[in-house]
Amino acid sequence: DQQVKQNSPSLSVQEGRISILNCDYTNSMFDYFLWYKKYPAEGPTFLISISSIKDKNEDGRFTVFLNKSAKHLSLHIVPSQPGDSAVYFCAAPAGGTSYGKLTFGQGTILTVHP
Amino acid sequence: NAGVTQTPKFQVLKTGQSMTLQCAQDMNHNSMYWYRQDPGMGLRLIYYSASEGTTDKGEVPNGYNVSRLNKREFSLRLESAAPSQTSVYFCASSSSQGANVLTFGAGSRLTVL
Repeated sequence: DQQVKQNSPSLSVQEGRISILNCDYTNSMFDYFLWYKKYPAEGPTFLISISSIKDKNEDGRFTVFLNKSAKHLSLHIVPSQPGDSAVYFCAAPAGGTSYGKLTFGQGTILTVHP
Repeated sequence: NAGVTQTPKFQVLKTGQSMTLQCAQDMNHNSMYWYRQDPGMGLRLIYYSASEGTTDKGEVPNGYNVSRLNKREFSLRLESAAPSQTSVYFCASSSSQGANVLTFGAGSRLTVL
């Protein structure tokens, strides 16, 4: 039972354009979401997060949008750079006292072409 | 500042062999975790330790044991390895203040033949 789903295994964009990575969830109890970025042979690193009391959170070139009614969130990268090429995971904590117990999506491989 | 250090980085085992993955963090974090990553599955939580002296099961604990040796160290043991345990294993830690922001190690790639 995959509670967090990333239905696009890969995405390819040109440098300078926008990258949009999508994530859907099924558990309406989720109230906090995170995006992690992973380079080959490295561990995931935290990128950006959003609380369910917001519908948008921005950090530099990265913006996460949350649509609670659709149980959907997206990560926008503008402008995309070749160094952004990595695997991106969305994640949500199980909630309540389950801090740190994250449920991850399958990941989306982003390739940014020069 | 090393962050989270895992050893070994690579290991090949035969079915039935045992081994321990070691993890240490130097950030004075209270909580530590073991995840495994498999193709098409994302990362799945095996075990976690909310604080020194406590451990609890995650989503996929079968076939594994853990030990929170002290605040810095959290080890994962495979008592009798099976091919289904072929995976990349990640150790992570988090502080009380930023409990959902995990710092991950570089991973340990385990192959069970």
